[in-house]
Amino acid sequence: SQQGEEDPQALSIQEGENATMNCSYKTSINNLQWYRQNSGRGLVHLILIRSNEREKHSGRLRVTLDTSKKSSSLLITASRAADTASYFCWRETSGSRLTFGEGTQLTVNP
Amino acid sequence: DAGVTQSPTHLIKTRGQQVTLRCSPISGHKSVSWYQQVLGQGPQFIFQYYEKEERGRGNFPDRFSARQFPNYSSELNVNALLLGDSALYLCASREGNEQFFGPGTRLTVL
Repeated sequence: SQQGEEDPQALSIQEGENATMNCSYKTSINNLQWYRQNSGRGLVHLILIRSNEREKHSGRLRVTLDTSKKSSSLLITASRAADTASYFCWRETSGSRLTFGEGTQLTVNP
Repeated sequence: DAGVTQSPTHLIKTRGQQVTLRCSPISGHKSVSWYQQVLGQGPQFIFQYYEKEERGRGNFPDRFSARQFPNYSSELNVNALLLGDSALYLCASREGNEQFFGPGTRLTVL
């Protein structure tokens, strides 16, 4: 399968803690993006990282990309209850195949 | 400016029937993609269209088809519905690298 893996599948933390979720993939990518989904609704774009970039920041989000290991990490710092959601990584491979992982369900407890 | 819109919001069909889902992209966006998301799983890529031409296709049977119109709106058609087609169908429009998702159409097949 061209889909990769995301881990953990589920993560439960306390407010104020940091949350880290990982995404791996199998084929070369053009770019990788992270999305959030609340309760089975539409997905919201969080951050994009290009294949020639190693790290990007956006507010409390930090994304890293290691193309040699074919993996990416999303770090959410100082988490809030409102961060509770499913988080997906999305990658575009050559041949316009657009794939999501299975996601990480993050629960932030107040 | 309106975001991506999808219609209908919810739909109930019976096995063997046919369904048409509609998507209007953000104004100026020429690319539309369709995804199927079964409950508890990540979205699965179905089709990508750009300038009315198919640019990518996921691993879905021929019962699934789509098209894009001159105004860049799109329709997804599913024939001979199966129970397993019950899912949230997401449409995304794109200009450049970032995708913007609509709220989805929830299809239930009885």
